[in-house]
Amino acid sequence: GQNIDQPTEMTATEGAIVQINCTYQTSGFNGLFWYQQHAGEAPTFLSYNVLDGLEEKGRFSSFLSRSKGYSYLLLKELQMKDSASYLCAVIYPSYNQGGKLIFGQGTELSVKP
Amino acid sequence: DGGITQSPKYLFRKEGQNVTLSCEQNLNHDAMYWYRQDPGQGLRLIYYSQIVNDFQKGDIAEGYSVSREKKESFPLTVTSAQKNPTAFYLCASSPRGGRGSGEQFFGPGTRLTVL
Repeated sequence: GQNIDQPTEMTATEGAIVQINCTYQTSGFNGLFWYQQHAGEAPTFLSYNVLDGLEEKGRFSSFLSRSKGYSYLLLKELQMKDSASYLCAVIYPSYNQGGKLIFGQGTELSVKP
Repeated sequence: DGGITQSPKYLFRKEGQNVTLSCEQNLNHDAMYWYRQDPGQGLRLIYYSQIVNDFQKGDIAEGYSVSREKKESFPLTVTSAQKNPTAFYLCASSPRGGRGSGEQFFGPGTRLTVL
């Protein structure tokens, strides 16, 4: 079967750094997305990893280790507006040949002053 | 402006009635998707379509139906057979065929409440 695990919720302080982990067990893998979702709104794209290593984009970075079935999203210089749910999604099995995304349950991040 | 639209934002229906949720995109994307989201949970795939006049069941298709008669449109019908239809429904689209990362773009969602 396919399984994606993320912590349910996390709390961090404004200005700090937080790391949100995602582990996956899927019988196929063709890449991993991170999305941000504010309450009642649509998810918005943050990052895409298909090869091992770190992808940096401003205050946000995402890391992937395919051998370990592990990814993390790193948020630096936290701002109050970063309070949201962060969704990890794995592309399975052959996305561009009719596959689909499998989403984790999301991590609710609360940023405190 | 290019994007995905869903209407209405909020929808109320009586139990036992069918209801159709609209999803339109002008991004020229081939693939379209319908997800359901319940409080505190991730997105679960209901149906998806990679091309016009073709669609596949997702993980929770029972009680739902779709059509894909036009590239721009992918309406979802929530039938009376769906036992617990109250949820937040999200439509998404993506390019396919190896263009880009295959990122999905989401509409603003429709919150359906069945009374």
